Amino acid sequence: GAGVSQSPRYKVAKRGQDVALRCDPISGHVSLFWYQQALGQGPEFLTYFQNEAQLDKSGLPSDRFFAERPEGSVSTLKIQRTQQEDSAVYLCASSLVSGKETQYFGPGTRLLVL
Amino acid sequence: EDQVTQSPEALRLQEGESSSLNCSYTVSGLRGLFWYRQDPGKGPEFLFTLYSAGEEKEKERLKATLTKKESFLHITAPKPEDSATYLCAVWPASKLTFGTGTRLQVTL
Repeated sequence: GAGVSQSPRYKVAKRGQDVALRCDPISGHVSLFWYQQALGQGPEFLTYFQNEAQLDKSGLPSDRFFAERPEGSVSTLKIQRTQQEDSAVYLCASSLVSGKETQYFGPGTRLLVL
Repeated sequence: EDQVTQSPEALRLQEGESSSLNCSYTVSGLRGLFWYRQDPGKGPEFLFTLYSAGEEKEKERLKATLTKKESFLHITAPKPEDSATYLCAVWPASKLTFGTGTRLQVTL
């Protein structure tokens, strides 16, 4: 069956550019999560949606980061005025109902800011 | 603050040489502990969820156990295809808190 998909898989941006990263969760999954993974580190939580409601955005590192899930399915993570420290892999995960169930991860988008 | 510490950072085993990976945690109210496997360039792949101390789960050559302070991932007679980074994560509230992982390399 189809898993979580993310696009693009790779993105190179010049410092100061805006980028948009897309996540398609598993069909029927209510909860959606975004994580940031730096090289050699574990994923770090960014934000969490239940349907279209953003219930937790405490992990977003600055107001340059914005996430949305307007119809409760596809989600977009937007980073404005990218900085070099934004270079990382951005992972999306979904779970069936609440976050206590297993979170299934997508392949990630590798962002490189030059 | 919730913390997850994994050890060792890296482990090199010969094929067939069994070992254990450790995940120690401090969390205010554990609702679940997750083990994931991550291959280079890929997202984490779910292995196990443990919910209470004393619980054990097995899958092929892997066995995960849980106490009140730590979890172990036991690898029995590993094969080269078990080479990966193994991530532990705790679920205290609305998000997963991950450790930095153990990079496992299994050689012939």
